[in-house]
Amino acid sequence: GAVVSQHPSRVICKSGTSVKIECRSLDFQATTMFWYRQFPKQSLMLMATSNEGSKATYEQGVEKDKFLINHASLTLSTLTVTSAHPEDSSFYICSASQGIAYEQYFGPGTRLTVT
Amino acid sequence: KNEVEQSPQNLTAQEGEFITINCSYSVGISALHWLQQHPGGGIVSLFMLSSGKKKHGRLIATINIQEKHSSLHITASHPRDSAVYICAVTDRGSTLGRLYFGRGTQLTVWP
Repeated sequence: GAVVSQHPSRVICKSGTSVKIECRSLDFQATTMFWYRQFPKQSLMLMATSNEGSKATYEQGVEKDKFLINHASLTLSTLTVTSAHPEDSSFYICSASQGIAYEQYFGPGTRLTVT
Repeated sequence: KNEVEQSPQNLTAQEGEFITINCSYSVGISALHWLQQHPGGGIVSLFMLSSGKKKHGRLIATINIQEKHSSLHITASHPRDSAVYICAVTDRGSTLGRLYFGRGTQLTVWP
């Protein structure tokens, strides 16, 4: 199947700093990328959907000024957690798709810990 | 109420047993997905189906669109099958392919 990578896999940062997470589709062009957050023992929660070259669509309750999403190319989307706080500590997963009729391929996830 | 309901929430089996995980959904869908998440967190897409039945190795997925129900079967289960299995559906009304997720089924297979 198609490969999606995420970087970094783990990051620890201090409260108040910003962290950027990259999501890349390695062997296909992803017109749409999705960003999810997962807390322990819970299912994935969609944060936002991004299409290449356009603004991301955020889910209700997700602050767009705090979670900045950029989908600058068909193979790269970034999520920046600005002014991180301990409650932002979570597992962040991206997925990528060639379009609505296609499968979503998931990245390996990024474990963010804010101290 | 969650759009996607899975059962059971936890499942323990002995190696070699036949396993079934069930998924019911309440929204109109264009596709249903079965995903596998290992303890490290990475997610693998097992199946994407919109009708009938698909088979891959020891895994079989079925869907009944009229009853809004899907099952994932594992034949001859093995300890390496231990993982969280997640049912997700693509909302037919979504122009971007939004997924709704079940809460997952934690499967543990003992040798």
